[in-house]
Amino acid sequence: AQSVTQLGSHVSVSEGALVLLRCNYSSSVPPYLFWYVQYPNQGLQLLLKYTSAATLVKGINGFEAEFKKSETSFHLTKPSAHMSDAAEYFCAVSDHGGATNKLIFGTGTLLAVQP
Amino acid sequence: DTGVSQDPRHKITKRGQNVTFRCDPISEHNRLYWYRQTLGQGPEFLTYFQNEAQLEKSRLLSDRFSAERPKGSFSTLEIQRTEQGDSAMYLCASSLGGTGIGEQYFGPGTRLTVT
Repeated sequence: AQSVTQLGSHVSVSEGALVLLRCNYSSSVPPYLFWYVQYPNQGLQLLLKYTSAATLVKGINGFEAEFKKSETSFHLTKPSAHMSDAAEYFCAVSDHGGATNKLIFGTGTLLAVQP
Repeated sequence: DTGVSQDPRHKITKRGQNVTFRCDPISEHNRLYWYRQTLGQGPEFLTYFQNEAQLEKSRLLSDRFSAERPKGSFSTLEIQRTEQGDSAMYLCASSLGGTGIGEQYFGPGTRLTVT
């Protein structure tokens, strides 16, 4: 069965600082991995996805993530935080070994950006 | 492409009442998912439709919950005899089936409050 673990429910950075949000996965099949962002009272927006092609994945808004099989990790990074990055971020793995491709989400990391 | 829409955005109801939510997926998407998100948690899978067929239901979906997708277009999620524990954000997502990864696009959600 697939699962993801997000370390750190709250992360605070200064504007302009590096953003690092951690995600570790467990999967019985080669994983499809996703990062979604959620702004208050809104749905989820896809930031980026890993589908077994390039291990370094670039997404929207300057975010990227690196798939490391040896560490079972898919951490999200951004070189320089902006105030507009303050939101909740969810890592997810797709249950594509089954028929539905349903997503299994982590518990989320709330990113605060200090001026 | 107008995105996934959900109606209503907010619903306040008294315990014991029935409620129904609607989801309109992206028009060419044949896959439709319902998730539930409680405060401080990631979304959890509830049920999945491929066209009009409901192919998977989570054990979270008690017999008070029913979902339909007539004609493979919009979907409804009904909760009968609501309980306070049903208070949550209900998210709908759609994707395009086939051989691709079929990333899911989420609607803005319906926030249910049971008093």
